[in-house]
Amino acid sequence: DAKTTQPPSMDCAEGRAANLPCNHSTISGNEYVYWYRQIHSQGPQYIIHGLKNNETNEMASLIITEDRKSSTLILPHATLRDTAVYYCIVRVTNAGNMLTFGGGTRLMVKP
Amino acid sequence: DTGVSQDPRHKITKRGQNVTFRCDPISEHNRLYWYRQTLGQGPEFLTYFQNEAQLEKSRLLSDRFSAERPKGSFSTLEIQRTEQGDSAMYLCASSRVQGQGLNEQYFGPGTRLTVT
Repeated sequence: DAKTTQPPSMDCAEGRAANLPCNHSTISGNEYVYWYRQIHSQGPQYIIHGLKNNETNEMASLIITEDRKSSTLILPHATLRDTAVYYCIVRVTNAGNMLTFGGGTRLMVKP
Repeated sequence: DTGVSQDPRHKITKRGQNVTFRCDPISEHNRLYWYRQTLGQGPEFLTYFQNEAQLEKSRLLSDRFSAERPKGSFSTLEIQRTEQGDSAMYLCASSRVQGQGLNEQYFGPGTRLTVT
């Protein structure tokens, strides 16, 4: 799986959009971008994934650049409960095998 | 609550003792994974099962570690002769792998092991 690079930490004001970047310049054509988050003392939680088109679900939006070398996870109206570590993972879907987590971005949502 | 449960949630043991953790996955999920997470790091893959077959093991899984999933449902992870370096959060996840479908993993709350 391709390697990802994320900033170690970010702050966001409550109610504002949180934009979390991820660099995956070595991504290959059959690799998807997945995002998970881990709230303190809990297991990781799946958020969203995409291949090349932008994706949106009830939790977040995923914007993938045209060259697929980077992506941004957007939480449109961050709340205090969104404070967590966010992991960007690149993997071949349908493989069903392990997830390779990097260091992630620690997002702190402040009142 | 994702539907994946782990027991116990916390375990304190003395160095050299054996410990066993249990994971109950979401009932229709055929894949079950074990990860380990130390403080400040992301989870690291240990091993996974498809039904009752253990298909892959990480180099992190030393010979003191053994995992089973005897009937393709719950799984156990045993650590023999624990060492202080085994102190970590042990996470279990499950997924349903079927054809070309999405197979995101659902994680349990983890078992925090402290070896004194």
